[in-house]
Amino acid sequence: DAGITQSPRHKVTETGTPVTLRCHQTENHRYMYWYRQDPGHGLRLIHYSYGVKDTDKGEVSDGYSVSRSKTEDFLLTLESATSSQTSVYFCAISAGSSYEQYFGPGTRLTVT
Amino acid sequence: TQLLEQSPQFLSIQEGENLTVYCNSSSVFSSLQWYRQEPGEGPVLLVTVVTGGEVKKLKRLTFQFGDARKDSSLHITAAQPGDTGLYLCAGLGTGRRALTFGSGTRLQVQP
Repeated sequence: DAGITQSPRHKVTETGTPVTLRCHQTENHRYMYWYRQDPGHGLRLIHYSYGVKDTDKGEVSDGYSVSRSKTEDFLLTLESATSSQTSVYFCAISAGSSYEQYFGPGTRLTVT
Repeated sequence: TQLLEQSPQFLSIQEGENLTVYCNSSSVFSSLQWYRQEPGEGPVLLVTVVTGGEVKKLKRLTFQFGDARKDSSLHITAAQPGDTGLYLCAGLGTGRRALTFGSGTRLQVQP
């Protein structure tokens, strides 16, 4: 158990509204990641962080922003949600020399 | 952009059968990982392979990293219903700090 929690676990929101998802870890890992998972696409990286206030974009970063003001929290914000952002979002930390990933339980987001 | 292609996408077999899942790329990876994901949960790491030609065994599961470090395979012997799930491969590119995931193989083992 890597001590990763995500909140909320489920959310339904309307198109155009802002949404923030939270990832919290208890073990002081440096690297944290946000992915989205859609049928047929596996896991796609949105953004990741390599330290407090240090972040970088992944392959599907458009429409998303992130912040990390404390080691333990990594926030993902959808500034203006769209239906194409309906997905399951996973947070992960990495540990190990090959950046092995340990995942949270996921957040199911539906944008109507 | 590094891509990982998994095959097959779906596999439905009977308990006791053997199967192999493939993960292929045109890119070289410094390591390759396999994860299993069950419905409603996050993926769970099964194994990491780092050396070309490396073979690792985890009970009935055998993982192999290709000699050129561009591909990998997962072989399951005598599959059981508990092996049912989504299997994902993920590669770490040289000098990178994030993984590239394949699209997954959904395995169903019928009792």
